[in-house]
Amino acid sequence: GNSVTQMEGPVTLSEEAFLTINCTYTATGYPSLFWYVQYPGEGLQLLLKATKADDKGSNKGFEATYRKETTSFHLEKGSVQVSDSAVYFCALSEFSGGSNYKLTFGKGTLLTVNP
Amino acid sequence: DAGVTQSPTHLIKTRGQQVTLRCSPKSGHDTVSWYQQALGQGPQFIFQYYEEEERQRGNFPDRFSGHQFPNYSSELNVNALLLGDSALYLCASSFRPSGTTDTQYFGPGTRLTVL
Repeated sequence: GNSVTQMEGPVTLSEEAFLTINCTYTATGYPSLFWYVQYPGEGLQLLLKATKADDKGSNKGFEATYRKETTSFHLEKGSVQVSDSAVYFCALSEFSGGSNYKLTFGKGTLLTVNP
Repeated sequence: DAGVTQSPTHLIKTRGQQVTLRCSPKSGHDTVSWYQQALGQGPQFIFQYYEEEERQRGNFPDRFSGHQFPNYSSELNVNALLLGDSALYLCASSFRPSGTTDTQYFGPGTRLTVL
């Protein structure tokens, strides 16, 4: 079955540091890939997505590139802010027949950014 | 444009009771998926509803059931509650054009505590 493995946290950085959160996946077909963010006490917000190999998703300074050859979708940001402190989830969505899609998530990575 | 809404925000039940959670999808969306997120874990897919039918189901027992109404809103029912059912229940909505990936948008969740 499909699975997503992402970097174990927690990750603690100083403001303006460079961020990388690793994500690799296992899928039988050609999934779409997503990063969602969850702020304390809230639901999930879509951060960015990529639907095919070599696509780059970007939003709010965050970027991730769909690498089919390494089955990876690592999240990066050049300069983090305190407001980026949250839990980040990597996920994949794959067609499973009859127009059915579901999301498979990683376990999440807690990011804390200190001033 | 209202996003995905869920009610109630919090709920406390005792073992053996039954609970109903509600979800209204984002305007223009016709598909509702439900996820269970245990503390410190990524969301797990419960089931998905489209055209008032359950289209796909994750690895959850029959105690978990659902319904979708003609206005696309949805309910999640859990019978015979167990302590292990304590979690954040997330609803996600999407639009299902044929042959393309649907991006799922999440509500704020319902926090269920079983005592």
